[in-house]
Amino acid sequence: DADVTQTPRNRITKTGKRIMLECSQTKGHDRMYWYRQDPGLGLRLIYYSFDVKDINKGEISDGYSVSRQAQAKFSLSLESAIPNQTALYFCATSVGAATRGDTQYFGPGTRLTVL
Amino acid sequence: GENVEQHPSTLSVQEGDSAVIKCTYSDSASNYFPWYKQELGKRPQLIIDIRSNVGEKKDQRIAVTLNKTAKHFSLHITETQPEDSAVYFCAASTNAGGTSYGKLTFGQGTILTVHP
Repeated sequence: DADVTQTPRNRITKTGKRIMLECSQTKGHDRMYWYRQDPGLGLRLIYYSFDVKDINKGEISDGYSVSRQAQAKFSLSLESAIPNQTALYFCATSVGAATRGDTQYFGPGTRLTVL
Repeated sequence: GENVEQHPSTLSVQEGDSAVIKCTYSDSASNYFPWYKQELGKRPQLIIDIRSNVGEKKDQRIAVTLNKTAKHFSLHITETQPEDSAVYFCAASTNAGGTSYGKLTFGQGTILTVHP
């Protein structure tokens, strides 16, 4: 089945460490997104990419960077992790602009703990 | 930018009752409003969506209504079942130049518990 996968699924790291979360998709979608989920705050957009050459900041991009290595791969990096980046991180994809409305398909999530 | 407010934050109902979750949005240009369901430990999944040219949409026990004048939309679940227990998120999408409909702003989520 075409799907969205994330690695690692769980990660514990220490303050100041660099960490990368990876997302891969076999859906053939052009658009990819990174969100973080915190209790009571919903899903907040960190970065999004509408194609390999297009990267955009979301509402909470400070402290994060991304790389779109290919249509199917979108990585999120924390250059120097801090405890308030402890959260559940989701990658998502969508097919893109042609139709009105754009369903997003989420990966299984990465639970990140920064000590 | 867009701001989406969702209420209530928690909702508890008895099996068979109806549940209603409401969202308001700030950007009058928003024209796509999906609802996602997230079961415990799982990923969010789309359950229903509505576009601005439609006032109501139904899919079996689920319906969504949209009032563009008041800038609010609601999710209605009838004949609730224990398997409806989950976190529900509303979202709104705004045109963004030539790359419209792809950037969602989510509400804070509603934890729905259906008691048998």
